[in-house]
Amino acid sequence: GAGVSQSPRYKVAKRGQDVALRCDPISGHVSLFWYQQALGQGPEFLTYFQNEAQLDKSGLPSDRFFAERPEGSVSTLKIQRTQQEDSAVYLCASSLGGRQETQYFGPGTRLLVL
Amino acid sequence: GQQLNQSPQSMFIQEGEDVSMNCTSSSIFNTWLWYKQDPGEGPVLLIALYKAGELTSNGRLTAQFGITRKDSFLNISASIPSDVGIYFCAGQKSNFGNEKLTFGTGTRLTIIP
Repeated sequence: GAGVSQSPRYKVAKRGQDVALRCDPISGHVSLFWYQQALGQGPEFLTYFQNEAQLDKSGLPSDRFFAERPEGSVSTLKIQRTQQEDSAVYLCASSLGGRQETQYFGPGTRLLVL
Repeated sequence: GQQLNQSPQSMFIQEGEDVSMNCTSSSIFNTWLWYKQDPGEGPVLLIALYKAGELTSNGRLTAQFGITRKDSFLNISASIPSDVGIYFCAGQKSNFGNEKLTFGTGTRLTIIP
């Protein structure tokens, strides 16, 4: 079946704009993660969902970041009042969540805030 | 946030050479993973390690889970052009796929013609 898909692939926003990034996980995957990858760095954890429940949001850098997964499948990461430091690649990953199950990553959304 | 320490930061090698890279942490992880990321793509899993001391191979790739559970190593033998990319280690506190990954800083591999 299809892998994890993300849209848009690229987003340019003016500082202060709100943006919404979408993730379509692999069908049947209960676990969904968002990571932020700054230029030249490894991905850093933002938040985790198990089905529709957001169980961990400890990595969200500020209250301008908000994520949801209302029906336990598609997830949206929203960033309000974007700042230049929000420029990064936002990666989504999904997993069956069981023992030794792999996290599969999408291609990411590259966000540039001007 | 925390990132694991990877070395070297970059490598320039000739085709056919062997490659070694490592990853260290100040805290214990019970799962070590190695990913490869190509430009414009998400990370792709290469090897997963679930037991301290474990040595696992995937074709020309071999990885080891350090016995202290604070480090891991990846070796690539007889490198080929498609090995070019950025390699990331990642650790998990448990063996379950519903837990976040802590990534390393990455090793960029370049093959010199």
